[in-house]
Amino acid sequence: DQQVKQNSPSLSVQEGRISILNCDYTNSMFDYFLWYKKYPAEGPTFLISISSIKDKNEDGRFTVFLNKSAKHLSLHIVPSQPGDSAVYFCAAGRLNTGNQFYFGTGTSLTVIP
Amino acid sequence: DADVTQTPRNRITKTGKRIMLECSQTKGHDRMYWYRQDPGLGLRLIYYSFDVKDINKGEISDGYSVSRQAQAKFSLSLESAIPNQTALYFCATSDLRQGVGDTQYFGPGTRLTVL
Repeated sequence: DQQVKQNSPSLSVQEGRISILNCDYTNSMFDYFLWYKKYPAEGPTFLISISSIKDKNEDGRFTVFLNKSAKHLSLHIVPSQPGDSAVYFCAAGRLNTGNQFYFGTGTSLTVIP
Repeated sequence: DADVTQTPRNRITKTGKRIMLECSQTKGHDRMYWYRQDPGLGLRLIYYSFDVKDINKGEISDGYSVSRQAQAKFSLSLESAIPNQTALYFCATSDLRQGVGDTQYFGPGTRLTVL
């Protein structure tokens, strides 16, 4: 069973608008969450993270929101740029316990110029 | 130069063959990981190693083995390849001492096809 789910395989957004990518998890013990971005023919690269003691973390155009009661996190990109077109993976796990991190299936974002 | 390198980048092999995928890193990280990516399934952890003497099974270790030859090298072996091991394989590293959580740094991937 997938412990981390990204239910939208793809998303298209106009340049300059907001992109919202969603992620749900099932394990209430998860306390650390990350977003990775992947371009074709490259490995995923770290984008932004959040620990369960926060409900929001911001880094430039990227903001991650965490709703622990709903076991849901989202990544907001504002404003979206064509270079943001990539596959976005969320990952969740338990920090500092040596446990593995679980990845979602990814959402392919296309930003239309 | 890339911090995490994987060889080969592409490999086509036949059922029953033994194959090794290699990963090297220059980041000085202690932790190394092997993942596979399949369409619709995301990345799944095969094995991970927290130092040279520590090897752990991940979510889908059956049919695979690993070797941590040095801090910088982590190899994944398929003793007898089968077609459902056709996938994109990623190596990753991480270092908790950086104080940013278990952020992982990925290699470029190896595309393996088993005929």
